[in-house]
Amino acid sequence: DAKTTQPNSMESNEEEPVHLPCNHSTISGTDYIHWYRQLPSQGPEYVIHGLTSNVNNRMASLAIAEDRKSSTLILHRATLRDAAVYYCILSIRNTGKLIFGQGTTLQVKP
Amino acid sequence: DAGVTQSPTHLIKTRGQHVTLRCSPISGHKSVSWYQQVLGQGPQFIFQYYEKEERGRGNFPDRFSARQFPNYSSELNVNALLLGDSALYLCASSVDRIETQYFGPGTRLLVL
Repeated sequence: DAKTTQPNSMESNEEEPVHLPCNHSTISGTDYIHWYRQLPSQGPEYVIHGLTSNVNNRMASLAIAEDRKSSTLILHRATLRDAAVYYCILSIRNTGKLIFGQGTTLQVKP
Repeated sequence: DAGVTQSPTHLIKTRGQHVTLRCSPISGHKSVSWYQQVLGQGPQFIFQYYEKEERGRGNFPDRFSARQFPNYSSELNVNALLLGDSALYLCASSVDRIETQYFGPGTRLLVL
């Protein structure tokens, strides 16, 4: 299974943009890039996913490198409620298995 | 709309006992997946069920089993509990096998 590499932790100031990086150099052509986040004592929450093109939704934007070996989750204006562990995950197109790594713990300072 | 629900929320068992965890998917979702999350780590895939059949299995011993019912709810069973089985057990549902998975709040199991 292809794996992802993320920084262990990042800090951001409230109301500023946050760029969370993810490396996935062994990604294959059929792997989707998913982002989930997990607040303490809760289940993971779906954020966004994509295959090749950049994606936007109400929560965030996903920027995917042209060679697909890296991606960046962009939170446009961080709030205190965005403090969580963010997981970058690859999933093979024809399976439902999500392989989680350690994730990035995002701290948001007021 | 109700999200994924899991029961019980918390559970304490002793070594060697058996446990059954339950999951109700989002209405209209036919696939359920189970994950184990040990403290300080990311979730690990255990099983996926779709249309009442096992469609995927992670690297877990045969003590772990699951099933899916005609209403698409699911049970995860763990026999002969070990201390290392203490974890948050997460259930996720999706419309089908490959669509976005939505997670429940989890069942926190403590094995003493």
